[in-house]
Amino acid sequence: ETGVTQTPRHLVMGMTNKKSLKCEQHLGHNAMYWYKQSAKKPLELMFVYNFKEQTENNSVPSRFSPECPNSSHLFLHLHTLQPEDSALYLCASSQESRENEKLFFGSGTQLSVL
Amino acid sequence: SQQGEEDPQALSIQEGENATMNCSYKTSINNLQWYRQNSGRGLVHLILIRSNEREKHSGRLRVTLDTSKKSSSLLITASRAADTASYFCATAPGGTSYGKLTFGQGTILTVHP
Repeated sequence: ETGVTQTPRHLVMGMTNKKSLKCEQHLGHNAMYWYKQSAKKPLELMFVYNFKEQTENNSVPSRFSPECPNSSHLFLHLHTLQPEDSALYLCASSQESRENEKLFFGSGTQLSVL
Repeated sequence: SQQGEEDPQALSIQEGENATMNCSYKTSINNLQWYRQNSGRGLVHLILIRSNEREKHSGRLRVTLDTSKKSSSLLITASRAADTASYFCATAPGGTSYGKLTFGQGTILTVHP
């Protein structure tokens, strides 16, 4: 266990559904991230939150909506997704400082959009 | 090619052999990190090497960094079947953009018992 928990582990949804992915970190970190991992593509950074404030949105379509109510929890709200959004969605956290720059990842949510 | 590109894409070896994976990148970096991912799981951090370091060791892992060639290598010595996984390099940009890593596509390592 890395200290970052993601739920659910698997999710199947239709294009008209609304669902949310949840991430919780127990490491006392101040930064949290959403990454998307598609087959045969490098990991893509989607969103960055630092001290609950969104500091990066990597040109992600508005059908993905992040929420960070506190520094331990991160959500990704999904609506009207497309089949090409099927991927492994990974949450990560880190303590932003020059001494601690590594990311701690959750196990991911495998999303299938039908 | 993209930042953090690994080579080879796939590597198949026997237990006990050494495995070497390479990573090339394009822009200046603050540090370079290697991660491991078992199938369908999250990534696990292995080792970080800073731009002013040339070599680093951690157990059976040895990482080198050549900033003049913008390349790094990861060596796993005396490999085990349990080392079977995908390995990714990730670069942290120069400046103060901590944590915003750019990942390569990874090397799939298979170690046969």
